[in-house]
Amino acid sequence: EVQLVESGGGFVQPGGSLRLSCAASGFTFTNYWMHWFRQAPGKGLVWVSRIKGDGSATNYADSVKGRFTISRDNTKNTLYLQMNSLRAEDSAVYYCARDLHIVATDYWGQGTLVTVSS
Amino acid sequence: QSVLTQPPSMSAAPGQKVTISCSGSTSDIGDNYVSWYQHLPGTVPKLVIYDNDKRPSGIPDRFSGSKSGTSATLVITGLQTGDEADYYCGTWNSRLSAGVFGGGTKLTVL
Repeated sequence: EVQLVESGGGFVQPGGSLRLSCAASGFTFTNYWMHWFRQAPGKGLVWVSRIKGDGSATNYADSVKGRFTISRDNTKNTLYLQMNSLRAEDSAVYYCARDLHIVATDYWGQGTLVTVSS
Repeated sequence: QSVLTQPPSMSAAPGQKVTISCSGSTSDIGDNYVSWYQHLPGTVPKLVIYDNDKRPSGIPDRFSGSKSGTSATLVITGLQTGDEADYYCGTWNSRLSAGVFGGGTKLTVL
C-alpha cells in the first residue's frame, strides 16, 4: 500500500526556516518524480515544487524560488522541502504527492500545517 | 492570482450536468496536458482527470475531460450530492517551467 506521511510543520516567525519531510512507503521511491503542493486557509491549491526520481532535476513555483529547496534521500525513501526566509503568505497546509504525469499526482500525504506569524 | 482561470462557483441540481471551464494560455494549457482535482473539505485532493481526458482507476465515467486550444473542460453528469466539492484544473507552464493551477470552482449540488 502506498503511503506518504509528512512531518515537520509548525509555527515559525517571519524570516525563519523549517524543513518538511515526507516519508514514502509501498512503492519504488526512486522511480517517481515527487511534488510538494500547498493550500493556504480558505485559498486554492498551489503547486510548489517537484523533483525527479534520481534527484537530478527540480522545478519551483516563482513564489518560492530562491527560498525553498526540494531534495530527496532515496536511501531513506524520504522527500524534503527546506523552507527559508519564510513569509506570512507561506502559511498553508503542505502536501507531498507522488507523480503520475506532469502535475497529475495519484497519491497524497495527509498534509502538514505551516504557520508563519510574529 | 492564479495563472489558470476558473469560475469561482457553480451550482446544479442532483442528476443534472455541470461543465467547469479552465482557461489558460499557449504556454500552459495550449502546450501541455491538463489535470483535474476534486477536493472535499477535510480530505486530500483527489485526481479525477489527467492527460486531458483520462480517468484514474476508480473514477466513475460520469466525470469526463476535454481540451481545446488554451481551454479545458471538466464535465460531470448525473450529479450526486457527494460531488459537492472544490474542483481545480492544473497543468505545466512551459515558459515558467512550473506547475500552474486555477483558483478552483466550488460546486454546489442543491
